Amino acid sequence: QQPVQSPQAVILREGEDAVINCSSSKALYSVHWYRQKHGEAPVFLMILLKGGEQKGHDKISASFNEKKQQSSLYLTASQLSYSGTYFCGTGGDSGGGADGLTFGKGTHLIIQP
Amino acid sequence: GAVVSQHPSRVICKSGTSVKIECRSLDFQATTMFWYRQFPKKSLMLMATSNEGSKATYEQGVEKDKFLINHASLTLSTLTVTSAHPEDSSFYICSARERTVLAKNIQYFGAGTRLSVL
Repeated sequence: QQPVQSPQAVILREGEDAVINCSSSKALYSVHWYRQKHGEAPVFLMILLKGGEQKGHDKISASFNEKKQQSSLYLTASQLSYSGTYFCGTGGDSGGGADGLTFGKGTHLIIQP
Repeated sequence: GAVVSQHPSRVICKSGTSVKIECRSLDFQATTMFWYRQFPKKSLMLMATSNEGSKATYEQGVEKDKFLINHASLTLSTLTVTSAHPEDSSFYICSARERTVLAKNIQYFGAGTRLSVL
């Protein structure tokens, strides 16, 4: 089942903070966050595993609440380069980790000067 | 970081022809590669899982005879769109998962192939 992302779109001024949420109706074992710019492939940001979280970048972090089956991506002091569509992906839970990801519909983030 | 190369980046073909897309992991071995499809302003949809040395696993609704996948080595997977029609026009993206345990199932994406069928 496709995870649900919110909000659908966010418009910020440079330097402001943003939170993007990802929730699932089924148990989550890992959550992957990617950013995609128009016409380009998704770029890996970070992965959060069951039992912990992993911070991938300086001002971009994420949390993973297994009980609530939710993950949130936090962007602080946003920069113009943060603009793009953010996707959360769930999956890879078959033990062997060989599953493809099921992505949410994406959150469009626009950073204005 | 891990690099995945996808070729070609753009292809325009006539209806009825077949198109092959290559996905290569350049600096790591990938036992498993994945093929996704993305329509404009939509999310990525998993089409199939490509396993080195074995048959691909297709998602529900994806025609395996239409989208042929071959994972010939630990660094190469190909997707062939057979007898392409205009409705097959889309952005196709591959990803590769690094083989080592330390990689934590991170998938690295290729740059994508934009297919336009006339």
